[in-house]
Amino acid sequence: RKEVEQDPGPFNVPEGATVAFNCTYSNSASQSFFWYRQDCRKEPKLLMSVYSSGNEDGRFTAQLNRASQYISLLIRDSKLSDSATYLCVLTGQGNTPLVFGKGTRLSVIA
Amino acid sequence: EPEVTQTPSHQVTQMGQEVILRCVPISNHLYFYWYRQILGQKVEFLVSFYNNEISEKSEIFDDQFSVERPDGSNFTLKIRSTKLEDSAMYFCASSDRDPFYGEQFFGPGTRLTVL
Repeated sequence: RKEVEQDPGPFNVPEGATVAFNCTYSNSASQSFFWYRQDCRKEPKLLMSVYSSGNEDGRFTAQLNRASQYISLLIRDSKLSDSATYLCVLTGQGNTPLVFGKGTRLSVIA
Repeated sequence: EPEVTQTPSHQVTQMGQEVILRCVPISNHLYFYWYRQILGQKVEFLVSFYNNEISEKSEIFDDQFSVERPDGSNFTLKIRSTKLEDSAMYFCASSDRDPFYGEQFFGPGTRLTVL
């Protein structure tokens, strides 16, 4: 099983749609979880951290299920500017590096 | 807003040549990283650097690679003898705290092309 698995997409959705991405991870010792966003040929940028209790930031909601080793990202009311690749990222305890998934590509269409 | 900067934005080199990729992390950050992303692939960790020494490195970071923080601001990645498969985007990142707790800020990357 790959360390971090994501559906590569692409997800093509109309403006205003709600879209959900999932991610599974293999290392049960993983401690911290994040969603990063990467625009084409640009650097990854943190979108949000993911907490066990679930967290929301505007139109974005992230959930973590440790028992199933599963993370999700929900985007409501999609905007054209949401078009990007969404990277599921995790890290262990201590000064361990980030482990990236390959990403899920989203295209929001007018 | 402070940001990580990297130079050059694009480096073309011949196989077997040495290259040095340069990064200026955010000034009050203490943790520094290099990642690479081969076109169409995932971002991969190369090395982390803290307190003037390597804290962790991946299998990719073999003897051909080295890092330095020659002064208080620069953080460099050297590839001694480049191979075709070193062609990738190289990202520098920095953070002010242990990655367990917080965000790593990435630079815009250096695209390395080995011919």
